[in-house]
Amino acid sequence: AAGVIQSPRHLIKEKRETATLKCYPIPRHDTVYWYQQGPGQDPQFLISFYEKMQSDKGSIPDRFSAQQFSDYHSELNMSSLELGDSALYFCASSVTSVGEQYFGPGTRLTVT
Amino acid sequence: AQKVTQAQTEISVVEKEDVTLDCVYETRDTTYYLFWYKQPPSGELVFLIRRNSFDEQNEISGRYSWNFQKSTSSFNFTITASQVVDSAVYFCALSAPGAGNKLTFGGGTRVLVKP
Repeated sequence: AAGVIQSPRHLIKEKRETATLKCYPIPRHDTVYWYQQGPGQDPQFLISFYEKMQSDKGSIPDRFSAQQFSDYHSELNMSSLELGDSALYFCASSVTSVGEQYFGPGTRLTVT
Repeated sequence: AQKVTQAQTEISVVEKEDVTLDCVYETRDTTYYLFWYKQPPSGELVFLIRRNSFDEQNEISGRYSWNFQKSTSSFNFTITASQVVDSAVYFCALSAPGAGNKLTFGGGTRVLVKP
């Protein structure tokens, strides 16, 4: 069965650079969520989209922005990267906004 | 506000022992969903089970079972006859349609199964 695809899987950036993470949801899933998991921590909700509209927003820094495109894939754009942004970034998708969320493999971002 | 608490940070067992993971949650929503996810050392988050707030029936699925008790706001998870491959961090999580359906995770419990 098709799963959530995230790219890239690993990314190394320097401070103050920008990064773009991509997420391709499971086919026919219309809802996408982004989570950030710092080292040794639990995943924290960043932002979600339902039918290409932002549906909810968590503790996402102003330096981050995201959108969902017409083909339902989503991108998380991160600017002015800081050392503290080093984390595992997960994308999850679900059928409707109340279905169980299936997670992608994550993108490990390292900021040096 | 939603909150999930996993009091156990780490559990170490010998293979074939049973492991029970505790989870206590807080929510003001009357409709909500509870989940368990597994995160092996490779890092991915694997969905294990989901229960909704209207279904307190406890079930067994293979070596996994769960005990959902609304009266105590608990959603405990048991692995029967543990195996080395069960070594992972297990997260309990809560979502509610009234709160945007985002997942609120507990702090996780690291399970180490020794041969």
